Amino acid sequence: EAQVTQNPRYLITVTGKKLTVTCSQNMNHEYMSWYRQDPGLGLRQIYYSMNVEVTDKGDVPEGYKVSRKEKRNFPLILESPSPNQTSLYFCASSFSAFYEQYFGPGTRLTVT
Amino acid sequence: AQKVTQAQTEISVVEKEDVTLDCVYETRDTTYYLFWYKQPPSGELVFLIRRNSFDEQNEISGRYSWNFQKSTSSFNFTITASQVVDSAVYFCALSEAEGAQKLVFGQGTRLTINP
Repeated sequence: EAQVTQNPRYLITVTGKKLTVTCSQNMNHEYMSWYRQDPGLGLRQIYYSMNVEVTDKGDVPEGYKVSRKEKRNFPLILESPSPNQTSLYFCASSFSAFYEQYFGPGTRLTVT
Repeated sequence: AQKVTQAQTEISVVEKEDVTLDCVYETRDTTYYLFWYKQPPSGELVFLIRRNSFDEQNEISGRYSWNFQKSTSSFNFTITASQVVDSAVYFCALSEAEGAQKLVFGQGTRLTINP
């Protein structure tokens, strides 16, 4: 089954404690990206990757890191989470930004 | 810079009414792509349609239709004879073909269909 998986689905953490949200796709897509969804702000792109070892900033990259060492995986790293990073996070994959995005189920992160 | 505006934050209609969700975009590129996604109460994001800037034909899929007008930079979405199952948040999005492959979403419109 074609899918994008994210883990964990729910996470409560404390300020400053490093965390990683994993994202994996099995569709051999070259393009992967991370979004955060906040009420009234819609979906905002954090980072995207057009291929292995190629990443670029989206509209809200501050406080986040990513890496793309393998085609199927695109982890999101919060090295020092802060309460303003409390949000719903989605990973997505696609052939490119010009095609349909396949979204993961979302990760709800709370930083206290 | 690319931008998408969905001015309608929330819409509430009674079942069987027709409803139109507005999407206005800004871009300097001549080649770009527009999308609509649906997010039902269960939370997943579902792709509805993709349109490139060179194809201004309106699209109809069952009760759903899309009106793309480059002259007004709009890509509006109409649901005919709405049903309760259409209740969701709907997002419009834009990707420019030239330069960086960023994808920009609008703020979303929460549509509630009341029985």
